Amino acid sequence: DQQVKQNSPSLSVQEGRISILNCDYTNSMFDYFLWYKKYPAEGPTFLISISSIKDKNEDGRFTVFLNKSAKHLSLHIVPSQPGDSAVYFCAARRTSYGKLTFGQGTILTVHP
Amino acid sequence: DTGVSQDPRHKITKRGQNVTFRCDPISEHNRLYWYRQTLGQGPEFLTYFQNEAQLEKSRLLSDRFSAERPKGSFSTLEIQRTEQGDSAMYLCASSSQGAGTGELFFGEGSRLTVL
Repeated sequence: DQQVKQNSPSLSVQEGRISILNCDYTNSMFDYFLWYKKYPAEGPTFLISISSIKDKNEDGRFTVFLNKSAKHLSLHIVPSQPGDSAVYFCAARRTSYGKLTFGQGTILTVHP
Repeated sequence: DTGVSQDPRHKITKRGQNVTFRCDPISEHNRLYWYRQTLGQGPEFLTYFQNEAQLEKSRLLSDRFSAERPKGSFSTLEIQRTEQGDSAMYLCASSSQGAGTGELFFGEGSRLTVL
């Protein structure tokens, strides 16, 4: 039962343009959502998060949007840079500090 | 380096052998997690500890898998009688209850190959 889904295995974007990564979830009990970035041969690193009481959270070039009614969140990267090329994972949790449930990941490639 | 460290980084073993992985979390973190990741998939939850107590264990974790955190510091994950399907990246993460956004900090992982 895949409770967190990232339906796009890959995304290719030109440098300077916007990257939009999408994530859907099925468990309405999830109340906290996070995005992680992973480079090859490294562990995932935390990028940005959002609580279910908000619909937007921004940190520099990264913005996460949450649509609770649609059970959908997205990560916007503006402007995209070649160094952003990595695998991006969406994750969700039911309590503030419990385990995370991850999506399958989306490979982002930003072309110079 | 004060991040999460895992050892060994790579392990190649023959089917039927036992393997053990070690994780040293960030020192002030009281929560420790084990995940498994296979190619093309996201990290899959295995188990987690708060201090030395194992609070949750995935039903996907067979009896061949066991994890310990004896003194609430480092943790070990042992796989007995390894099978080829156990080949994966085993990730350890830690977090601090009650601080920040509660995000998990991951180590670089231990890659297991079962021949």
